[in-house]
This record gives sequence, C-alpha cells and structure tokens, in this order.
Amino acid sequence: KNQVEQSPQSLIILEGKNCTLQCNYTVSPFSNLRWYKQDTGRGPVSLTIMTFSENTKSNGRYTATLDADTKQSSLHITASQLSDSASYICVVSLARSQGNLIFGKGTKLSVKP
Amino acid sequence: IAGITQAPTSQILAAGRRMTLRCTQDMRHNAMYWYRQDLGLGLRLIHYSNTAGTTGKGEVPDGYSVSRANTDDFPLTLASAVPSQTSVYFCASSAQHGQFSTDTQYFGPGTRLTVL
Repeated sequence: KNQVEQSPQSLIILEGKNCTLQCNYTVSPFSNLRWYKQDTGRGPVSLTIMTFSENTKSNGRYTATLDADTKQSSLHITASQLSDSASYICVVSLARSQGNLIFGKGTKLSVKP
Repeated sequence: IAGITQAPTSQILAAGRRMTLRCTQDMRHNAMYWYRQDLGLGLRLIHYSNTAGTTGKGEVPDGYSVSRANTDDFPLTLASAVPSQTSVYFCASSAQHGQFSTDTQYFGPGTRLTVL
C-alpha cells in the first residue's frame, strides 16, 4: 500500500533553534517528493520538490534531503522563527499515468519565544 | 494576481441539500484538483482535471462531481450532502499534470463545510 509516514506528529521548539522533521514512504513507483508548509486556516504552500536524482534542496532556511534507497526524507529548519509555526506536510508523487500525490498527515511545529 | 480563489469561505448545510463549491484560478494552469482535509488524515484527492473539458476520479470521488467547462473554473458539486462530507475542501492547480510532473501545485484558501 502506498503510504507516507511523518514523525514526530508534533514538535515544540524555542525560537532560534534548529529542528528536523522526518518522512518515510512506501510509495512505488516513485516520481518525486515534496514538502509543503500549511499555516492554520490556510492552504498548503510548496517549499521544495525533489526528484529521484536529487538528494538535497534548499529554500531559504528550509533544507530538504532525500534518500531514495531507504525511502526517507527530512526537512531541516535552521534558526527557527515564530512564523515557522505551522504544519509541514510530506507528499510523494506516483510515477503513473495519473500522477497522483500521496500526502502524509503532517508534523505540527510550534515555535515558542 | 489573485492565484486561486474559493467560495464560499465556509458553509453550514443541511443533509440532503445540494451544494456547489467554486474554484477559480487566474494562472492559466492546465491542471486543477479538489482535495478534502480531515483531522488526523492527510489531504485526499477527490477529482482532478488535466485540461479543460476533461476530468478524472481521485481517491475519494463518491458523492462528488466536477466539471471543467473552461481553463479557469473547476466547481465541485455535492448532489445530496451527508454528514461524512463535513471537511475542509481545497482547490489546487498546476501548470501540467502527469506522472513525471514536478510542477508546483498552488492551493486555494479552502472552504470549511459542515453538513448537519
């Protein structure tokens, strides 16, 4: 079964600290992996998209890694800010005709002052 | 540029009523999507459209229908709403849709629907 599992479910950190969110997937055939940020009450916003051949991609203070062999990805947030408080969703795209996206349940991050 | 707009923002609906959620994008994207997001679950695809005039079923299509008469609009209709359709509905669009597409999906602000 195609699944995307994220950990931890929730996380609280202090402003200025770094954190790493994890994503494991059992999606096949794999096309690409995406990380989204979703603020409360809003739609998800794309942070990064990585294909099979890419093992790291950055977007400002966000750095995503991908290990296609172990089917794991991580999202590292550097020098966290209060505005980073949100849910972070890992999404894996299937390499099939309809190109469906499989969404994880997300990690809810709270950054405290 | 507005991106993607959805209407209404929220709605309370009696079971058995018909409801259409509206979605409009101004990015001239070919592909559009409808998702529902429920507590404790990831977003799930309801229906999608690769291009104007075509639609396809996603993971949870039952009880919903869509149409794509033009590039910009992609309405979602609940013919006879049931309480299990209480959810937050997101419309999204991307330039292209396909198995190797890396196009970014842009999401609307969502419609919070409650069916009583």
